[in-house]
Amino acid sequence: GESVGLHLPTLSVQEGDNSIINCAYSNSASDYFIWYKQESGKGPQFIIDIRSNMDKRQGQRVTVLLNKTVKHLSLQIAATQPGDSAVYFCAENSPSNTGKLIFGQGTTLQVKP
Amino acid sequence: DAGVIQSPRHEVTEMGQEVTLRCKPISGHNSLFWYRQTMMRGLELLIYFNNNVPIDDSGMPEDRFSAKMPNASFSTLKIQPSEPRDSAVYFCASSLPGVNKNIQYFGAGTRLSVL
Repeated sequence: GESVGLHLPTLSVQEGDNSIINCAYSNSASDYFIWYKQESGKGPQFIIDIRSNMDKRQGQRVTVLLNKTVKHLSLQIAATQPGDSAVYFCAENSPSNTGKLIFGQGTTLQVKP
Repeated sequence: DAGVIQSPRHEVTEMGQEVTLRCKPISGHNSLFWYRQTMMRGLELLIYFNNNVPIDDSGMPEDRFSAKMPNASFSTLKIQPSEPRDSAVYFCASSLPGVNKNIQYFGAGTRLSVL
């Protein structure tokens, strides 16, 4: 029979534009969230994290926004560059708080030169 | 710091053969995680260890899979016997104790192909 793979959402942006990648998380008890970037052929790489007592956190060219009311997380990338092309994963900590992360399915970011 | 080191990077084997994947976590990290990534199922947690003790192995697909962590600097994931559906990229990750325990650092992965 026909195999069905994951259909990752894809965001296509022009180089230099800002990118916004969205993520819905599942557990209202989660108190820690993290974004990873995975380039082709590599392992996921930590980008930025945020705790539930914050609404916003900024890094270098990246900003994470947290809306606990609607259980929504977003990653904003300023002045997107070709090197930003990758799959981006959000993750939430397990309610057991043992260090286990629950990963989302990922979003593919394509940067057009 | 060399990061999490996995070996081999690529493994091609025939159905029925035993496969052993290896991982060296970052020095000082006390938690170690094994993941499997496929197009069909995405990134799945198989098992994780804390201070060399398996904490949660609920993600291990079946008895053909086993993992060990004999000391703080080495872990193995073994598949015996391997099947074509085990073909995937297997990642190992490690994390620090304490307030940064949720940041997992991933290795480059082992791409396994079972023919």
